[in-house]
Amino acid sequence: NAGVTQTPKFRVLKTGQSMTLLCAQDMNHEYMYWYRQDPGMGLRLIHYSVGEGTTAKGEVPDGYNVSRLKKQNFLLGLESAAPSQTSVYFCASRPGVSNQPQHFGDGTRLSIL
Amino acid sequence: EDKVVQSPLSLVVHEGDTVTLNCSYEVTNFRSLLWYKQEKKAPTFLFMLTSSGIEKKSGRLSSILDKKELFSILNITATQTGDSAVYLCGAGGTSYGKLTFGQGTILTVHP
Repeated sequence: NAGVTQTPKFRVLKTGQSMTLLCAQDMNHEYMYWYRQDPGMGLRLIHYSVGEGTTAKGEVPDGYNVSRLKKQNFLLGLESAAPSQTSVYFCASRPGVSNQPQHFGDGTRLSIL
Repeated sequence: EDKVVQSPLSLVVHEGDTVTLNCSYEVTNFRSLLWYKQEKKAPTFLFMLTSSGIEKKSGRLSSILDKKELFSILNITATQTGDSAVYLCGAGGTSYGKLTFGQGTILTVHP
């Protein structure tokens, strides 16, 4: 049972480059989330989705775009990477019914030079 | 704006000690508070609390919620080196399961 799978695990980019992080879940969950984790700041919500074809902004959405074309996949895009986006990115998913925990992927470590 | 604050930010203990981690929250239309353990990679779920005064327990770990005073504690008794991790507290309201997380508490357990 794979759960939540994130690819890639590591990536180094140059300022201005673009890239897409992929999150895939095999639990048929309705809700999916993208977080970033920086030292001393816990997890901060970037964007989330409550179903196929829907997306919404979280706490820190600037500089990121997302898409959810299929229920099992949630993509996070950086159009023009900046050093401030160096972080560890986590994807999570949960069922759409009430009071369920989020399940996390192993994260993507992204460095922008 | 929703807010979650954890304390202490870091803690160093020896095996066998008991620790208490704190989490206070201010969340609109509060519904649940969750505790996660994060070692090298993915945060793993420990507890979900929705009602005041009802203790959740799993082995040496336990947690309780006080909805009047807006806080939760996570207790770990007889700590082991394998308990070394970052412990995250997240609180959510009624909006699509979104969680606001605290800064995390870094727990280090020495042999």
